[in-house]
Amino acid sequence: EAGVTQSPTHLIKTRGQQATLRCSPISGHTSVYWYQQALGLGLQFLLWYDEGEERNRGNFPPRFSGRQFPNYSSELNVNALELEDSALYLCASSIGLADTDTQYFGPGTRLTVL
Amino acid sequence: GQNIDQPTEMTATEGAIVQINCTYQTSGFNGLFWYQQHAGEAPTFLSYNVLDGLEEKGRFSSFLSRSKGYSYLLLKELQMKDSASYLCAVSPLRSSNTGKLIFGQGTTLQVKP
Repeated sequence: EAGVTQSPTHLIKTRGQQATLRCSPISGHTSVYWYQQALGLGLQFLLWYDEGEERNRGNFPPRFSGRQFPNYSSELNVNALELEDSALYLCASSIGLADTDTQYFGPGTRLTVL
Repeated sequence: GQNIDQPTEMTATEGAIVQINCTYQTSGFNGLFWYQQHAGEAPTFLSYNVLDGLEEKGRFSSFLSRSKGYSYLLLKELQMKDSASYLCAVSPLRSSNTGKLIFGQGTTLQVKP
């Protein structure tokens, strides 16, 4: 069974640009989560999507946004990039709406903002 | 709010046993997860504790005490490949924080020959 996949693996942008990151969940999973892992910091929750709807978002500015498509894949968009947005962005998926569902992570997209 | 603390780094010897502690302050939670993350790779699920006590899974065991706000991950018969970061995460109660996991900063374990 294929795991969570993310693309691209690496992304280099300059300040002010926009970045789009993509995630495909495990087959059968309807929930997708996005986390930011900055160097030396723990994973910080960004967004949660389920059945195409945004269910919750973390303490990040509105320039972090995303969506979930009918096939449950998801996209994270970061507008007006700032240097401190440089981080590993991890996507996870789980089977449904229960908070106890185990989240399975993809390999991440490393975003570098110059 | 929630606050999760783990030691930043630990070193242990191949073949030994190591215990990685996680303490937390939270108003309530569903359960506690442990993940393993090798450098540059995705976190992989190790264990999930809901009830107090020890959950054993091969060389890895995880313990939870809700009354003490404390969990640990026990790794036995350490192997070089166990060198990784170990992440403790809490699943908050549904009514206040749906969906997200609250992570500690992780403990980097180095296994030496």
